[in-house]
Amino acid sequence: SQTIHQWPATLVQPVGSPLSLECTVEGTSNPNLYWYRQAAGRGLQLLFYSVGIGQISSEVPQNLSASRPQDRQFILSSKKLLLSDSGFYLCAWTLYGNSAYEQYFGPGTRLTVT
Amino acid sequence: QKEVEQNSGPLSVPEGAIASLNCTYSDRGSQSFFWYRQYSGKSPELIMSIYSNGDKEDGRFTAQLNKASQYVSLLIRDSQPSDSATYLCAVRSSNTGKLIFGQGTTLQVKP
Repeated sequence: SQTIHQWPATLVQPVGSPLSLECTVEGTSNPNLYWYRQAAGRGLQLLFYSVGIGQISSEVPQNLSASRPQDRQFILSSKKLLLSDSGFYLCAWTLYGNSAYEQYFGPGTRLTVT
Repeated sequence: QKEVEQNSGPLSVPEGAIASLNCTYSDRGSQSFFWYRQYSGKSPELIMSIYSNGDKEDGRFTAQLNKASQYVSLLIRDSQPSDSATYLCAVRSSNTGKLIFGQGTTLQVKP
């Protein structure tokens, strides 16, 4: 069965500090991967998605970036965090070529920028 | 008009009752629809997917889809306090293939 991991689970970072969040998927190959952010009391905002190694599409202009160095690894980064970057960051995956398009979420990383 | 609309709630039902959660969407070409459950502080969990008009049942959950009315709903029978959560409706965009999420409906099941 497939499993998705995210770490760290929680993070408190000062404004202007760098960020690196990691997501890995087990039990599948060539998944589509996604980064979402959920701000307090708000809906899910798609930040990035990837259909393969090195292939990243950005949904929202911001100071975040994403990379996919390996098939089942997806990384979200920032060089300098802003207060507005606080939120619940969720990684998700879908099975490549699966016509059902079901998307599954990881446990998330709660980021507080102080 | 929002692409996917849900009443934010809270929707409060007594234990054992049927909870009815509703969602409307604007993309007439959408073919895939999903319901997620999100407990406070946790990530969303996929509980139902539906692709054809009509009803789809899974245990105490029934998803209903009406493409002509652009409406999808989730019924929870014999509601339990453990069903208290926020329920997110998601629709796959026919243009981009990405999931568009509603803001979610908070359900409270009172013992």
